[in-house]
Amino acid sequence: QTVVTQEPSFSVSPGGTVTLTCGLSSGSVSTSYYPSWYQQTPGQAPRTLIYITNTRSSGVPDRFSGSILGNKAALTITGAQAEDESDYYCVLYMGSGIYVFGTGTRVTVL
Amino acid sequence: EVQLVETGGGLIQPGGSLRLSCAASGFIVSSNYMSWVRQAPGKGLEWVSVMYSDGSTFYADSVKGRFTISRDNSKNTLYLQMNSLRAEDTAVYFCARMAHDSFDLWGQGTMVTVSS
Repeated sequence: QTVVTQEPSFSVSPGGTVTLTCGLSSGSVSTSYYPSWYQQTPGQAPRTLIYITNTRSSGVPDRFSGSILGNKAALTITGAQAEDESDYYCVLYMGSGIYVFGTGTRVTVL
Repeated sequence: EVQLVETGGGLIQPGGSLRLSCAASGFIVSSNYMSWVRQAPGKGLEWVSVMYSDGSTFYADSVKGRFTISRDNSKNTLYLQMNSLRAEDTAVYFCARMAHDSFDLWGQGTMVTVSS
């Protein structure tokens, strides 16, 4: 069974930069997996940040950017703000109608 | 307003059945890919099922054979029929509209608790 891996947690200073990654238990992530990224605060529905690797969803600040870094998808927050403290999830399309969420990363801004 | 509203959650005994509904407004369900995603208490998000606009359906291995996704075009509503429920199915269930193989619109979720 495919596992999509993310770092469990990251801490970033206000105004700092952090890069979260999204990898596969076996193999490399490419644009063919249509990686997307979501932000979720406790008790709320997820919010879509990035789709098709690097396209920002409507209303998402440009401090959020998506890319492929090496063999993983990546979400970079440049100039982190207090309101960015959340859980972040990636999703990969595995083909044949199957989607897999990553394990999630908790970002703390302090 | 473009939105999704889930209903139908509740407390159900192991082995029981429940049907969740997701009423859409502001867009046509049958013209879009639509998914169900769940989140167990304190855990991460898990994709459950998708229905494509052509009617084809796909499921996560964890629910295959027990859950069925469907839609009623006249009601512009997506459903998830859940049978043979287990304790591990306890979660908040979100419905989501999809675009570009990502989830672009989310409902607020409905809680399903499987317990005796």
